[in-house]
Amino acid sequence: DAGITQSPRYKITETGRQVTLMCHQTWSHSYMFWYRQDLGHGLRLIYYSAAADITDKGEVPDGYVVSRSKTENFPLTLESATRSQTSVYFCASNKNGGDYGYTFGSGTRLTVV
Amino acid sequence: DQQVKQNSPSLSVQEGRISILNCDYTNSMFDYFLWYKKYPAEGPTFLISISSIKDKNEDGRFTVFLNKSAKHLSLHIVPSQPGDSAVYFCAANMDSSYKLIFGSGTRLLVRP
Repeated sequence: DAGITQSPRYKITETGRQVTLMCHQTWSHSYMFWYRQDLGHGLRLIYYSAAADITDKGEVPDGYVVSRSKTENFPLTLESATRSQTSVYFCASNKNGGDYGYTFGSGTRLTVV
Repeated sequence: DQQVKQNSPSLSVQEGRISILNCDYTNSMFDYFLWYKKYPAEGPTFLISISSIKDKNEDGRFTVFLNKSAKHLSLHIVPSQPGDSAVYFCAANMDSSYKLIFGSGTRLLVRP
């Protein structure tokens, strides 16, 4: 089905572990984004990508790594998870054409214990 | 320092009445503003937007007003329905950067 999908939906990991959150979109949108949602902070941009092999930092990039070898995939890796990274993570995409409305995935709820 | 602020964490409104959600911003370079709606366990969905060259945009029951001099925008929902109960995020963008800066959200409850 066309759309943007995130996996897993829920993840529990231990402090210090590496964990990767997956994001896949079927529209060939140029732009992809990773946000985290925390109470009192709303949605904060972690990383974004304008095209394959082009990525850039957002507001809160520390502790995260991204890659975009293919247009449709934009994985987010926590290299050494910390409890402060417990959050709900949303991936989004946007077509290149002047419409700034994003389409979001359903989110991944990550708990770091 | 938050560039986009939603100072009301929650709002409760009777069904059929008007809901007014407010948003303030600090960066005068923002030139495009959006509202998103989010239900529990789902991603945010785009609701309505407005360019800085306009002061009003309407889409059915939803109207967004922009007051650039006050750096303030508001979302009006008339009439409010129980299905409108959700968290509403205000977002802003500048220079066609495609990076959206979001507010912290307002939880709207529409009582039957």
